Amino acid sequence: GQQLNQSPQSMFIQEGEDVSMNCTSSSIFNTWLWYKQDPGEGPVLLIALYKAGELTSNGRLTAQFGITRKDSFLNISASIPSDVGIYFCAGQDNYGQNFVFGPGTRLSVLP
Amino acid sequence: DGGITQSPKYLFRKEGQNVTLSCEQNLNHDAMYWYRQDPGQGLRLIYYSQIVNDFQKGDIAEGYSVSREKKESFPLTVTSAQKNPTAFYLCASSISGHETQYFGPGTRLLVL
Repeated sequence: GQQLNQSPQSMFIQEGEDVSMNCTSSSIFNTWLWYKQDPGEGPVLLIALYKAGELTSNGRLTAQFGITRKDSFLNISASIPSDVGIYFCAGQDNYGQNFVFGPGTRLSVLP
Repeated sequence: DGGITQSPKYLFRKEGQNVTLSCEQNLNHDAMYWYRQDPGQGLRLIYYSQIVNDFQKGDIAEGYSVSREKKESFPLTVTSAQKNPTAFYLCASSISGHETQYFGPGTRLLVL
């Protein structure tokens, strides 16, 4: 079946630093979603991308739909302690009924 | 307030027992989903339903059952056939099967 890879698997950064993470697929997707999950809670949608090359921002977060349609990137600028959590990507292709989720990137922010 | 609710937050099961996890949404969404999340892992699809009275198996349906008698409700039963049920269970819904999914707060199931 389809699989998504996310990198890095985990990262430790200093408060105030910028963060970049990505999600790659072996197949082409038409939709990319980025979610954040706090410990013990359900994932919360951050950004949705629907078009190749699309760049969308949500506050300090910016996500891009890769031109190849096989990848997506999420950047967080000026990180703060509440950015801590697991960031999941999810993708959907033309034929799939459902979204495929990546394994997540765990972010830790050091004060 | 509109949203997805899951209950209970924590659930304990004895070996050999069936338990049912509740998922309710008042978003008027047609599609609903159940995922399982193990520590340090991503989300794996158990069952999904695109419309009332219809549901489909996901990637890991064995040992689970669902029903969709009402649009707002999609309960998941973890049966005694599920040998490793301890996990975090997440319910989600979307306007239709191809739209963005929104998640509930989750239920953590522990086996005693």
